[in-house]
Amino acid sequence: SQKIEQNSEALNIQEGKTATLTCNYTNYSPAYLQWYRQDPGRGPVFLLLIRENEKEKRKERLKVTFDTTLKQSLFHITASQPADSATYLCALDSGYALNFGKGTSLLVTP
Amino acid sequence: EAGVVQSPRYKIIEKKQPVAFWCNPISGHNTLYWYRQNLGQGPELLIRYENEEAVDDSQLPKDRFSAERLKGVDSTLKIQPAELGDSAVYLCASSRVGPKQFFGPGTRLTVL
Repeated sequence: SQKIEQNSEALNIQEGKTATLTCNYTNYSPAYLQWYRQDPGRGPVFLLLIRENEKEKRKERLKVTFDTTLKQSLFHITASQPADSATYLCALDSGYALNFGKGTSLLVTP
Repeated sequence: EAGVVQSPRYKIIEKKQPVAFWCNPISGHNTLYWYRQNLGQGPELLIRYENEEAVDDSQLPKDRFSAERLKGVDSTLKIQPAELGDSAVYLCASSRVGPKQFFGPGTRLTVL
């Protein structure tokens, strides 16, 4: 069966460090992989999209890698700030629908 | 541009009662999605519209859930009758061209 796994444990890091979140998947052949941020009481907000033929994508302090052989994406936030504290959702896009992981909660402490 | 609008933001009902959620997508967005998000889980797609046509409703529990998108703009999701297990956040999202989706704030439903 299809499965998307994200870090089940919350990630606590110190301000200024790099946060790395993991998304692993099985039995998918996604055309795209997307990362969203979700704050409490709000809907997800799009951050980055990476295509199956791309290895890496960057946007400001964010970096996403996509390894279709390992079936894994890594999401990095460099120079993390307390304002980065949120839940981060990985979503696989088969071209027809988005399938989300459970999300990883990130807490950045001063 | 204005974002996706949903109402109400919160709804508390007793089981077996009907409930309806409304969504106004971003202007010009032809594709509209309804998701359900349970606590501690990611959103799960219920139904996807392309204009006024429901093109993917395979995950919609059709015995009690219904949806419509008249004139290809606003959409309504209805549950009748509601069950305890329907307590969740119902999210509406829209997109124009490409896979990036814009989500509304959601409606938090509590069924007592």
